[in-house]
Amino acid sequence: AQKVTQAQTEISVVEKEDVTLDCVYETRDTTYYLFWYKQPPSGELVFLIRRNSFDEQNEISGRYSWNFQKSTSSFNFTITASQVVDSAVYFCALLPGAGNMLTFGGGTRLMVKP
Amino acid sequence: GAGVSQSPSNKVTEKGKDVELRCDPISGHTALYWYRQSLGQGLEFLIYFQGNSAPDKSGLPSDRFSAERTGGSVSTLTIQRTQQEDSAVYLCASSFPARADTQYFGPGTRLTVL
Repeated sequence: AQKVTQAQTEISVVEKEDVTLDCVYETRDTTYYLFWYKQPPSGELVFLIRRNSFDEQNEISGRYSWNFQKSTSSFNFTITASQVVDSAVYFCALLPGAGNMLTFGGGTRLMVKP
Repeated sequence: GAGVSQSPSNKVTEKGKDVELRCDPISGHTALYWYRQSLGQGLEFLIYFQGNSAPDKSGLPSDRFSAERTGGSVSTLTIQRTQQEDSAVYLCASSFPARADTQYFGPGTRLTVL
């Protein structure tokens, strides 16, 4: 069985602060994918990143960075110099390598105040 | 190009009525997925279609839920005798075959059961 845990249900920061969203997963599969999605108030799920289980390199994309650590089964997401437009619900998700269904965490609501 | 579209965007119904939710996948995407986002359960998988193969219905919460896919394209999710706990946002996603790691999500249908 797969499980994704986002322990932080809600985070509030002031603009320009850095913020890290935690994601811990459980799976027995040796091959799997991890994802982060953003859900702004409009409701649509916006894909941010996909990582496969064989690639533990950290990734940076602009103000976003991701830290994947298999040793701790974590895939954390950091936003540097947060902006009001970053306010959204962020979901971490897991896909087994041979599977078809995404298992989502409960989501973290990020509020960035001006 | 056009993304995944869903209709209606909002649906309000009375308890006990049947509802149909529609999903138009991206052209060429033979894989189609339904998910549900509710307050109590978060984001959860419902059903998966791939081409003409038998669908994976393992996520459907009860026999009041069914889905079909006509001509390998448009899909309809039907909920019979709706209950208040069916109130949720129903999300559809599509992908190329065997590319569950790259699912494109639609904007969702918000269902409210009074």
